[in-house]
Amino acid sequence: NAGVTQTPKFRVLKTGQSMTLLCAQDMNHEYMYWYRQDPGMGLRLIHYSVGEGTTAKGEVPDGYNVSRLKKQNFLLGLESAAPSQTSVYFCASSYVPDTQYFGPGTRLTVL
Amino acid sequence: GESVGLHLPTLSVQEGDNSIINCAYSNSASDYFIWYKQESGKGPQFIIDIRSNMDKRQGQRVTVLLNKTVKHLSLQIAATQPGDSAVYFCAENMGRSSSGSARQLTFGSGTQLTVLP
Repeated sequence: NAGVTQTPKFRVLKTGQSMTLLCAQDMNHEYMYWYRQDPGMGLRLIHYSVGEGTTAKGEVPDGYNVSRLKKQNFLLGLESAAPSQTSVYFCASSYVPDTQYFGPGTRLTVL
Repeated sequence: GESVGLHLPTLSVQEGDNSIINCAYSNSASDYFIWYKQESGKGPQFIIDIRSNMDKRQGQRVTVLLNKTVKHLSLQIAATQPGDSAVYFCAENMGRSSSGSARQLTFGSGTQLTVLP
């Protein structure tokens, strides 16, 4: 099993550009999550999904949108990137709403 | 502020010694706790978890202790090795909603563990 994978690994955007981060898991997990991690801070939840076709807001959802069209995929979109969205983004999945398994991360820089 | 915090942001130990990383939480409704290890440039890796109906749980070289009276969680690493150098996060899950939907894991800011030769 590959576990949780994320693409791309790195990306540089200009302010106002859009992009989509892809998360895929092969563990048949119902729950999927998107976090951001900033220097000196813990992980902060952006959005999450409790199953295919569902999404919900987390702690810091503004400026992001998500979609869960397939159970194994969870997409995070930035419609108009801002420098404040420079961060490392982690996707996670879980079978039940407890132990979460994380992907390797996407490092995003917005200029 | 965050409900989960750590007493020390950095910890240095000699190789072979035992390490203890501490975590405080403030929400008495939390019923599940997890420790993660994050190496530089990688995603958090699950180490061990514990539910609120337990005081202690052991894994391979790691032990988690939960003291609900003082809302304190600790991770003990036995015979610390160079490969244990990483940032360690504790996280709490503040119980499940009536619908059973996911509750957020609240993460602390982490403790940097450095193993000295």
